[in-house]
Amino acid sequence: DPKIIQKPKYLVAVTGSEKILICEQYLGHNAMYWYRQSAKKPLEFMFSYSYQKLMDNQTASSRFQPQSSKKNHLDLQITALKPDDSATYFCASSETGGGTLYFGSGTRLTVL
Amino acid sequence: GDSVTQTEGQVALSEEDFLTIHCNYSASGYPTLFWYVQYPGEGPQLLFRASRDKEKGSSRGFEATYDKGTTSFHLRKASVQESDSAVYYCALSSDSNYQLIWGSGTKLIIKP
Repeated sequence: DPKIIQKPKYLVAVTGSEKILICEQYLGHNAMYWYRQSAKKPLEFMFSYSYQKLMDNQTASSRFQPQSSKKNHLDLQITALKPDDSATYFCASSETGGGTLYFGSGTRLTVL
Repeated sequence: GDSVTQTEGQVALSEEDFLTIHCNYSASGYPTLFWYVQYPGEGPQLLFRASRDKEKGSSRGFEATYDKGTTSFHLRKASVQESDSAVYYCALSSDSNYQLIWGSGTKLIIKP
């Protein structure tokens, strides 16, 4: 059974709309992350959270907002979607900061 | 700042060929070094890691030795198989940082 669940697997949105990407991990980890992967940037770090607190933010745009309602949840809200946001978004977790990352299978977002 | 350099963007080999993917890093102190592998349609997964000088990491026939003198962690495999076709990422973590530093990735293609 997958230990990191990302929903949905595929997502199509129109420009200007808003979407939420869901991530839950069942590894008992304390740190969670979001990464983005596109043809332009192979693997791009976005955010890291530890015990539901933001640790690092490398995303310039405020349109991307992580939301952590529980220790094992880290959703990603994206507002005012643009075609350039089209990418696969990966959620990951680790036991502690700097530890081995475990990735989900990703949400593939297409913005038309 | 810390950085990881993978010189090969793509490597094409035949089955049973010897594989080397080069990874050099720049970081202070003793970072932990990782190799991750990403198969099509999946998130990256840990191949192995090493935390100290001369430590060898290995998994599934792949291996790499932490070399602080040459700041390298080159990935090698004696005999590649078609199932090894994937993208390989070298990464480092230092001082319990919540952000791994990633190389640009190397796509391994096994020619039929």
